[in-house]
Amino acid sequence: NAGVTQTPKFQVLKTGQSMTLQCAQDMNHEYMSWYRQDPGMGLRLIHYSVGAGITDQGEVPNGYNVSRSTTEDFPLRLLSAAPSQTSVYFCASSYSSETEEYFGPGTRLTVT
Amino acid sequence: EDQVTQSPEALRLQEGESSSLNCSYTVSGLRGLFWYRQDPGKGPEFLFTLYSAGEEKEKERLKATLTKKESFLHITAPKPEDSATYLCAVISGGYNKLIFGAGTRLAVHP
Repeated sequence: NAGVTQTPKFQVLKTGQSMTLQCAQDMNHEYMSWYRQDPGMGLRLIHYSVGAGITDQGEVPNGYNVSRSTTEDFPLRLLSAAPSQTSVYFCASSYSSETEEYFGPGTRLTVT
Repeated sequence: EDQVTQSPEALRLQEGESSSLNCSYTVSGLRGLFWYRQDPGKGPEFLFTLYSAGEEKEKERLKATLTKKESFLHITAPKPEDSATYLCAVISGGYNKLIFGAGTRLAVHP
């Protein structure tokens, strides 16, 4: 099992550009989520999904969109990148919302 | 408001010097507390889940305990390979998603 995979590992964007961060899991988990990690602030939830076709907002959803068309994939879209979105992004999956989450290796995004 | 606070922010230990990391929480009905380890440049790796006060879990040199207000991660005779950031997270009854603390950066020197 590959677990949770994320692409790309690194990305540099200019302000106003859009892009999609990819996330896939092969554990047949229903629950998937996206976090951002900033120094001194811990992991903050952006969006999450409890199953294919169902998504909801987390703590910091502004500027991001998600969709979940399959159980395996949960892409995160940045609509118009801003310097405040410079961060490390982690995708995670779990069997349910009350069990441990398994994290991907992260995407380091810089917006200039 | 649900909140998770970890202390200290950073801890430096000599190899073999045991210590504890603290995770205090204020939540409306704890449904689970999780400990993760994160190495530089990598995603968090799951260590333990605790569900009720008095519960304890152990793995190698690590032992996690839980009270009604806080959790401790005890590290016994640490080795340099235990150096990492340790993250604590909770799920509350009022917010059905993980809330993370900022983490404790542990450095173990030989």
